[in-house]
Amino acid sequence: SQTIHQWPATLVQPVGSPLSLECTVEGTSNPNLYWYRQAAGRGLQLLFYSVGIGQISSEVPQNLSASRPQDRQFILSSKKLLLSDSGFYLCAWGYAGELFFGEGSRLTVL
Amino acid sequence: AQSVTQLDSHVSVSEGTPVLLRCNYSSSYSPSLFWYVQHPNKGLQLLLKYTSAATLVKGINGFEAEFKKSETSFHLTKPSAHMSDAAEYFCVVSSYNFNKFYFGSGTKLNVKP
Repeated sequence: SQTIHQWPATLVQPVGSPLSLECTVEGTSNPNLYWYRQAAGRGLQLLFYSVGIGQISSEVPQNLSASRPQDRQFILSSKKLLLSDSGFYLCAWGYAGELFFGEGSRLTVL
Repeated sequence: AQSVTQLDSHVSVSEGTPVLLRCNYSSSYSPSLFWYVQHPNKGLQLLLKYTSAATLVKGINGFEAEFKKSETSFHLTKPSAHMSDAAEYFCVVSSYNFNKFYFGSGTKLNVKP
């Protein structure tokens, strides 16, 4: 069966520090991969999606970047965090029109 | 472009009474629509999906939704609410090739004893 792992689950970072959130999927190959951000009362905002290794599409210009160094690995990064980067980040993989989500990473930028 | 609008940010019902969560969509082609549920501090789980087959879609945990093209709606219903249904619900529309999924702002369902 397929599983998705996302870490870290929570982190508190100072403004201006770097960020790396990692997501890996097991049990499937060449999945579509997604990063979403959830802010309170604003639903889920699609940040990046990838249909293959090295293929990244950005939905919203921002302080973040994404990379897919391996087929089942998706990384969300920032060189310098802003206060506005705080939120709940969700990684997901897609198959046959359905999304499967990780447990999320809660980022607080102070 | 595709988008969904969830008409209520909060809905409160008593246990055992019907649930109605409203969603309207906008799409330049025949859409694929979904409802996802999120329990506190958790990821999301698919409740049901509509992909141009039967307009009445049945999902998990007794939920169902009806696709109404004339009203551009995809409302989620359940005949009888249970305490465990308390969560946040998201209406979602996908791109034609299922590469992108666009979420509504969510509806928080509160179930009173």
